[in-house]
Amino acid sequence: EVQLVESGGGLVQPGGSLRLSCAASGFTFSSSWMHWVRQVPGKGLVWISRINTDGTATKYADSVQGRFTISRDNAKNTLYLQMNSLGAEDTAVYECVRGSFYEEDVFDIWGQGTMVTVSS
Amino acid sequence: DIVVTQSPDSLAVSLGERATINCKSSRSVFYSSNNKNYLAWYQQKPGHPPKLLIYWASARESGVPDRFSGSGSGTDFTLTISSLQAEDVAIYYCQQYFSSPLTFGGGTKVEIK
Repeated sequence: EVQLVESGGGLVQPGGSLRLSCAASGFTFSSSWMHWVRQVPGKGLVWISRINTDGTATKYADSVQGRFTISRDNAKNTLYLQMNSLGAEDTAVYECVRGSFYEEDVFDIWGQGTMVTVSS
Repeated sequence: DIVVTQSPDSLAVSLGERATINCKSSRSVFYSSNNKNYLAWYQQKPGHPPKLLIYWASARESGVPDRFSGSGSGTDFTLTISSLQAEDVAIYYCQQYFSSPLTFGGGTKVEIK
């Protein structure tokens, strides 16, 4: 079964850091572009970051540029998101998403998400 | 950034009737070199992550019922559910992937009348 399972979310104080992980299974992770998308509960979807298959090319939304770092370990079939200098505006469900094989910026597999709450 | 705007915010349709959702981008998402529109549609049911329905504006993802169809080009697009079923109650999002940052519309909530 094709699956993405996120972990690492939780409650963090403003200014703090958190590292999210996404374990992939059921497909060739090393051949897939991967993304992080976040969603404030009850609100819309916001693309956060993208990484290519071997981790050599990354892109970020302006809102997280310089604070968040996307990375991957193809040997462990795992995607990461290192989040620093967190603020209340970063509170959201963070979803790990696979880019499709026909177009890497179309999202064909989504994880269930992990909730990040930034609050004192 | 390309701004993507959906309308309406919500709509209620009777079972078996047609539902139409509109999506407008602030700039064209049509790439003339390959004749493709870089627009996708997703369905999100309560408590679940989004599911890909349509890509390249009109190509149906494998396994998606044929009552779902996408149309349009350039800046104006439409998702049509030809005969609404109870399981289609959800929020629908369009997304442009023509340029970074990738952006989504605000969503359209579809309910049963």
